[in-house]
Amino acid sequence: ETGVTQSPTHLIKTRGQQVTLRCSSQSGHNTVSWYQQALGQGPQFIFQYYREEENGRGNFPPRFSGLQFPNYSSELNVNALELDDSALYLCASSLATGGLNYGYTFGSGTRLTVV
Amino acid sequence: AQKVTQAQTEISVVEKEDVTLDCVYETRDTTYYLFWYKQPPSGELVFLIRRNSFDEQNEISGRYSWNFQKSTSSFNFTITASQVVDSAVYFCALSEAFGSARQLTFGSGTQLTVLP
Repeated sequence: ETGVTQSPTHLIKTRGQQVTLRCSSQSGHNTVSWYQQALGQGPQFIFQYYREEENGRGNFPPRFSGLQFPNYSSELNVNALELDDSALYLCASSLATGGLNYGYTFGSGTRLTVV
Repeated sequence: AQKVTQAQTEISVVEKEDVTLDCVYETRDTTYYLFWYKQPPSGELVFLIRRNSFDEQNEISGRYSWNFQKSTSSFNFTITASQVVDSAVYFCALSEAFGSARQLTFGSGTQLTVLP
């Protein structure tokens, strides 16, 4: 059973650019969530995808968008990067069935630095 | 709205000491889940435990134990006979049990350092 894998592990971008982060779900999982973790803080929920549709969103602007593919992998896109977007971006997959969500498996994250 | 508070920002202990990490939460839900995660320097969040709000029994897993008290909205985590490998940031988190997204709401974390 493979875990959650994220790519790239590290990334440096310039303010105003766009970035795409990728996540492969754990085998058997059908839901993907993305979290932003600023230095010294707890992760903050960005959004969740289930059956290729956004299924919930935290307090993040529209320039944060995502996709989920038929194989349940996912992308996080951030447009018009700002310095405050510098953070560790964590992907978590889970199995949602029958209205219940059975736990979350996290990847190691992508460390994004905006300069 | 949900909120998780971890008042201890940093804790430092000497190896073999016992240490308790505090977690206090707020939620309007009657059914919810509580979690503890460990985050080593590599960044990955490692799942430690999930507790349903209906189950107030304390749980022990090896050197780890958890004390859930619904009356005080607390879910504290104790490491017995701490080891250097326990050094990490520990997060307490809360999610609703039902609903569309069931997002995790995290506390700000407690940095635990175990000295040899």
